Amino acid sequence: EEQLVESGGDLVQPGGSLRLSCAASGFTLSSYAMSWVRQAPGKGLEWVAAMSVSGGRAFYTDSVKGRFTVSRDTSKNTLYLQLNNLKADDTAVYFCAKEEQSSASFDCWGQGTLLTVSS
Amino acid sequence: DIQMTQSPSSLSASVGDRVTITCRASQSISRYLNWYQQKPGKAPKLLIYAASSLQSGVPTRFSGSGSGTDFTLTVSSLQPEDFATYYCQQSYTTPITFGQGTRLEIK
Repeated sequence: EEQLVESGGDLVQPGGSLRLSCAASGFTLSSYAMSWVRQAPGKGLEWVAAMSVSGGRAFYTDSVKGRFTVSRDTSKNTLYLQLNNLKADDTAVYFCAKEEQSSASFDCWGQGTLLTVSS
Repeated sequence: DIQMTQSPSSLSASVGDRVTITCRASQSISRYLNWYQQKPGKAPKLLIYAASSLQSGVPTRFSGSGSGTDFTLTVSSLQPEDFATYYCQQSYTTPITFGQGTRLEIK
């Protein structure tokens, strides 16, 4: 069974940094494009970042460019999101999601990890 | 960026009703349109991909249609477990964008 488990969410002060992890099981993470999607409290879904299948390309929504970095460790079958210079607006549940190859839909999601940015 | 607009934003319906949710893209996305269901405190669940393909394990009362800019999600006969929030999403290009969501409530 394919499964994603996020971790690393925490309470962080504005301007701080954090790294989120997404451990995959039941499939090889490096065989798929992967994304991070976030959901602010009571709000809708917002795509944040993606890593290509090859791992050679990363894509970001404008509001996080230069602050967030997506990466992966194939030996650990784990995807990461490094978040720097955090802002209150980054407060959200962060989900990682696996991209289905032909449709680019997200066919497997983790349970999410909560990041709160507050002083 | 491609804007995705869902309507209605909320909907009240009864068990057994047929309901339709509409999603409109600000430019053509071919059939790169996916639908998700989300229940409170849970991750989204893929229902429909590529506009009209039913994800494995999803009940056949869910169906999708459309292409280009206009898409619909239909539930043929609502069941109690279908009351949730539904999102459309375009996977045509980055940035990937979602609709604002449609909250389906029990009447």
